[in-house]
This record gives sequence, structure tokens and C-alpha cells, in this order.
Amino acid sequence: DAGITQSPRYKITETGRQVTLMCHQTWSHSYMFWYRQDLGHGLRLIYYSAAADITDKGEVPDGYVVSRSKTENFPLTLESATRSQTSVYFCASSEWTDTEAFFGQGTRLTVV
Amino acid sequence: GQQLNQSPQSMFIQEGEDVSMNCTSSSIFNTWLWYKQDPGEGPVLLIALYKAGELTSNGRLTAQFGITRKDSFLNISASIPSDVGIYFCAGLLLNTNAGKSTFGDGTTLTVKP
Repeated sequence: DAGITQSPRYKITETGRQVTLMCHQTWSHSYMFWYRQDLGHGLRLIYYSAAADITDKGEVPDGYVVSRSKTENFPLTLESATRSQTSVYFCASSEWTDTEAFFGQGTRLTVV
Repeated sequence: GQQLNQSPQSMFIQEGEDVSMNCTSSSIFNTWLWYKQDPGEGPVLLIALYKAGELTSNGRLTAQFGITRKDSFLNISASIPSDVGIYFCAGLLLNTNAGKSTFGDGTTLTVKP
């Protein structure tokens, strides 16, 4: 099915562990984004990518790593998870810079 | 960085009432987007605005791009229970931010039947 999918939907991990959140889109959109959503903060941009092999930091990049070897995939890695990274993570993609972003269903990550 | 002030933070209304919410910024934007997020889902675009002064409707929803390019408004007429959710505004400034949207903190809407 066409669209943008995130996996897993739910994840519980321990402090200090590495965890990777996956994002896959089937539209061949150039732009992909990772946001985190916390109560009272709306959506905050972690990293974004304008094309394969091109990534850049957003508003809150510390503690996260991204890669984009293929246009359709944009994984987000927490190198050493901390409790402050407990959040709902959304991946999004868009065709151009001035068009809407399509969001995945989110990954709810709990760090214990 | 750019910040958006979205208000009100939450609204509790009766079914059938009209709703108004707005976003203001200290920065000028080229594009304003309004999204709705249902519980457990990702945001979905409702309306996109590309020109200052533009007024655009989508069913019972009407949004406006402020003349100063620093604000935008969303109105929902005759609210129904399925309007419940979080409404986000997003501002986009081309060329300098490579297409990154700045999001407001959201307006949580509750509709009582």
C-alpha cells in the first residue's frame, strides 16, 4: 500500500540502550522529517533530509542520529537512550519544500 | 529560532457551535498550513495557504493567511463530535529553512454532544 509507515508502533527500552525507529515511504518524496511530540511542546523537528545522503539537524537533534542511504527510508537512531527521550516520534515526508507533509502513525517510545 | 504562538491551548464547546483559533509569529512566513491530529494518529493536512490575505475553505473549515504574513486563523463552523482532536498550525519560510515547517503547540478541541 502506498503511504508512509513507521515501525515499531510501540517500544519500551532501557536507559543506555541503542534503539532505531524505522520510517518508510512509497511516494519517492524528496523530503523526509523526524519530529517528536511531547505534551505542551507540539511537534519539534529532530532531523530532516532533502534527498538521499543529505541530512541536517532540526531544533532538537542532540542524542539522535539519522541516515538516508535510500530515498524511501529514513531511520532514526537513539545512540544511548535517556528517559528524557520518552516521547511519541513522527516521521513525515513531502514532495517539495512548499507542500504538505504526510505523517506516519507515530512510534510511542518509553525509556525506563 | 522562529516560534509560533497558537491559541487557545484548549477549547471545550457544545456541538453546533463555531470555533476560532489562531497562530501568531514574530517572523514572516511564505506558507501557512493547518493540520488536524486524531488520537493515536499522525497529523493530517486540512488547509494550505500560500498568499497573504488568502481565504480558503474546506467544507466547514475556513482559514486565512494574515495580511502581515505573521498570523493565520482557522474557523470551524457548526462543530460536530468528529471535530475532536488537536489542531496545529505550521509556518513555512522558503529558501532559508529548506522546507522545514515550524509548528505551533496545538489547540485541543473537545466537542460535547
